[in-house]
Amino acid sequence: ETGVTQTPRHLVMGMTNKKSLKCEQHLGHNAMYWYKQSAKKPLELMFVYNFKEQTENNSVPSRFSPECPNSSHLFLHLHTLQPEDSALYLCASSQETSGIYEQFFGPGTRLTVL
Amino acid sequence: AQKVTQAQTEISVVEKEDVTLDCVYETRDTTYYLFWYKQPPSGELVFLIRRNSFDEQNEISGRYSWNFQKSTSSFNFTITASQVVDSAVYFCALSDGYKLSFGAGTTVTVRA
Repeated sequence: ETGVTQTPRHLVMGMTNKKSLKCEQHLGHNAMYWYKQSAKKPLELMFVYNFKEQTENNSVPSRFSPECPNSSHLFLHLHTLQPEDSALYLCASSQETSGIYEQFFGPGTRLTVL
Repeated sequence: AQKVTQAQTEISVVEKEDVTLDCVYETRDTTYYLFWYKQPPSGELVFLIRRNSFDEQNEISGRYSWNFQKSTSSFNFTITASQVVDSAVYFCALSDGYKLSFGAGTTVTVRA
């Protein structure tokens, strides 16, 4: 595997379900990010991790719970979501969080909440 | 606060036409970084270019070229002789050295 991978690519869940999104980067980077991309809206940064430590939570509702066990893996745990949470969730990584370095993105998970 | 504006929501051209995507940014920082990303229908954002605020030299990479002008706070992107494979959403982004802010994106459709 190369670059940034995300699983699953598509997910349909009910409002009472619990599911998790997984992201893995094979680039040796130290920073990882979760973004939400909704139709007709700019990319929204959700969480930032640097060396496994969360450095930013962009006022994300608690029904989204991130986990970063190591610099290569990032999870987004979902529970009791709302239909408006339906979106493309993108994971990205970069060398570090200084903003100097470009971010490399995964293909995203298309989430539909019924 | 920093802000990126991509005024063009959608652009449609016929193959081989040139396409210019506008990007205007706002920042109070003297050191900042500008990026362009491409998002094809597959969904993955692909990094195209990074430019720092001290380097106003324009750049050309194949059919892609970028025009950075600090005086007008613009970082425009031109695709020369467009091809169907160029159809995608293109995002301009600005980093103050910490946080990356994206524009709303411009959807480019190239018709055969």
